[in-house]
Amino acid sequence: EDKVVQSPLSLVVHEGDTVTLNCSYEVTNFRSLLWYKQEKKAPTFLFMLTSSGIEKKSGRLSSILDKKELFSILNITATQTGDSAIYLCAVTGTASKLTFGTGTRLQVTL
Amino acid sequence: EAQVTQNPRYLITVTGKKLTVTCSQNMNHEYMSWYRQDPGLGLRQIYYSMNVEVTDKGDVPEGYKVSRKEKRNFPLILESPSPNQTSLYFCASGIYEQYFGPGTRLTVT
Repeated sequence: EDKVVQSPLSLVVHEGDTVTLNCSYEVTNFRSLLWYKQEKKAPTFLFMLTSSGIEKKSGRLSSILDKKELFSILNITATQTGDSAIYLCAVTGTASKLTFGTGTRLQVTL
Repeated sequence: EAQVTQNPRYLITVTGKKLTVTCSQNMNHEYMSWYRQDPGLGLRQIYYSMNVEVTDKGDVPEGYKVSRKEKRNFPLILESPSPNQTSLYFCASGIYEQYFGPGTRLTVT
C-alpha cells in the first residue's frame, strides 16, 4: 500500500523566518511527487518533481526530491502571513493512483 | 478560464437517500478523480478515471459509484448514503498538475 508521511504536523513561525517541510513516501512504481497549498478552499498546485536532485523554484518557495532516500522537502524563505496554509504532499504510482499525506499546517504570525 | 465545477457546494441529506454530486471540467483532461477530505486523515482518493469509460478504485471506494460517459463529466454517486460519508468532497482534473473543484460539503444525518 502506498504511503506518504509529512512532518511536522503543525508549525508556527514568525514572519520572515525560513521553514522546511518534509515528505517521505513509499510507493510502488514511483512516477512523481507533487506539492499543493490548501488555504480555506481547494488545494492549488505548487510543484511536480520527478527527478532526484533537481530543485524546483517559484519565488520564495523551492522543493527538491531524493529518490534514493524517498523524501522531498519544501522550503519557504522569508515567510509572510499569506503563506499560512496546509501544505500537502502527494505521490503518483501504479496506474496513476494518487496518494496524499495528511499535510503540514503552517501558521505565520506577525 | 480553466476550471473544475462541482454541484452542489453544500448538501444535507438523510441516510439512504440516493444522491449525485456532479463534476465538470473544461480543460479536455483525460484524467479525473474524486477525493474526500476528513480531519486528521487528509485527502483520500475515492475513484479515478484515466479516460472515457475507464474508471478505477482509489483508496476508499466503498459506498461510492462513478461513471465517465464523456470526457468533461465525472459524477460521484452515493446510492445509499450513510453518516460515515459525511465529509468534504473534491473533484480534480489533470493527472499531475491537478486542478481541484471548489468542494462539496456533504452531511448525512
